[in-house]
Amino acid sequence: GAVVSQHPSWVICKSGTSVKIECRSLDFQATTMFWYRQFPKQSLMLMATSNEGSKATYEQGVEKDKFLINHASLTLSTLTVTSAHPEDSSFYICSARVAAGGPHEQYFGPGTRLTVT
Amino acid sequence: AQSVSQHNHHVILSEAASLELGCNYSYGGTVNLFWYVQYPGQHLQLLLKYFSGDPLVKGIKGFEAEFIKSKFSFNLRKPSVQWSDTAEYFCAVNATWKGGGNKLTFGTGTQQKVE
Repeated sequence: GAVVSQHPSWVICKSGTSVKIECRSLDFQATTMFWYRQFPKQSLMLMATSNEGSKATYEQGVEKDKFLINHASLTLSTLTVTSAHPEDSSFYICSARVAAGGPHEQYFGPGTRLTVT
Repeated sequence: AQSVSQHNHHVILSEAASLELGCNYSYGGTVNLFWYVQYPGQHLQLLLKYFSGDPLVKGIKGFEAEFIKSKFSFNLRKPSVQWSDTAEYFCAVNATWKGGGNKLTFGTGTQQKVE
């Protein structure tokens, strides 16, 4: 149980275009989903927290107009990288937590490799 | 703000050697502690977690970790590593505070290779 999927697993796009990444909890309902970014040989950096039906909470330094997050249902959150630039190339990972507010671990997706040319 | 530091960035061990990876955090309040593992080409998986109770926690694949509150540490151990333990290991802290704050902060990771 507790499987999180991401789609696509990798994507190449041209500079200036937008890319949407989906994160789904396959066998549980996720009240909260998280989006992370991982640079090569570095740790995961939290970008934003999204709760179903409400606006995402972005971490300091993350542009909310560039990284649009939608958490429309308890099993789906999307991250849209708008007007992508080469510096947005990275590994994007989502995770899902079952219950809001409690000390529950997060279940991670396999990640999406974004390359902007 | 909470922070997590992992002292060893790269560790190389021989099979059957013992493993200990250090993790220290900075936060004065209540914390939940985790160790995650990322095998080559795979996603993050939970190895073990500490919420409360016995500070020595046992996880999957023979791993264990000890929470020492006075040292703000949560070191990961395994008595005898196998080649299949080659992976990157991340320590993470989830600090809880009044008002609903609840965020997972990761350490920089330790690349562990078994030869």
